[in-house]
Amino acid sequence: DQQVKQNSPSLSVQEGRISILNCDYTNSMFDYFLWYKKYPAEGPTFLISISSIKDKNEDGRFTVFLNKSAKHLSLHIVPSQPGDSAVYFCAARGTSGSARQLTFGSGTQLTVLP
Amino acid sequence: DTEVTQTPKHLVMGMTNKKSLKCEQHMGHRAMYWYKQKAKKPPELMFVYSYEKLSINESVPSRFSPECPNSSLLNLHLHALQPEDSALYLCASSLKALWDRGPNEQFFGPGTRLTVL
Repeated sequence: DQQVKQNSPSLSVQEGRISILNCDYTNSMFDYFLWYKKYPAEGPTFLISISSIKDKNEDGRFTVFLNKSAKHLSLHIVPSQPGDSAVYFCAARGTSGSARQLTFGSGTQLTVLP
Repeated sequence: DTEVTQTPKHLVMGMTNKKSLKCEQHMGHRAMYWYKQKAKKPPELMFVYSYEKLSINESVPSRFSPECPNSSLLNLHLHALQPEDSALYLCASSLKALWDRGPNEQFFGPGTRLTVL
């Protein structure tokens, strides 16, 4: 049972436009959500996170939105750049014990076209 | 020093070999993690060490043996692996222990690409 889902395996966007990556979750006990970016043959790089008590967090070109009632979060990248082309994973953390490990979605391959 | 380092970058081993993967961080992080990642899949958690003690073992076969000699170092000893164990092995660390409250981002190393022949 996948608790964190990224339903779009791939997304293509023109350079300069907005990229919107989506993530849905089923466990209402998650208290923290994170986005990671991964280039081929490298480890994931932490991008941005959001606590479950917030609905928005912004860092430069990256903004994460959380809709708790819909159990949905999204990552907006504005403006998109070719260097943003990578696989993006969302991850969620539970609230207690071993559930505090990260549960990752399956990833979305973002391609930013020049 | 603000990164997690892993050695070797690549490793090819036979099914009867014994080898070790090494991970190091000097950020004072209190938790360290081993993940396995197959192509086009998310990272799968294998082990978690908090304050140098094993706190999670995700039912990993005994041919994988973790070791945390000190707060900065994490090893993964490999013995009698199978070809299906070929994958990218990622190490990560976080400032707080797994059970601590509040933000606790994990920072990943570049990984070791393991091929088992």
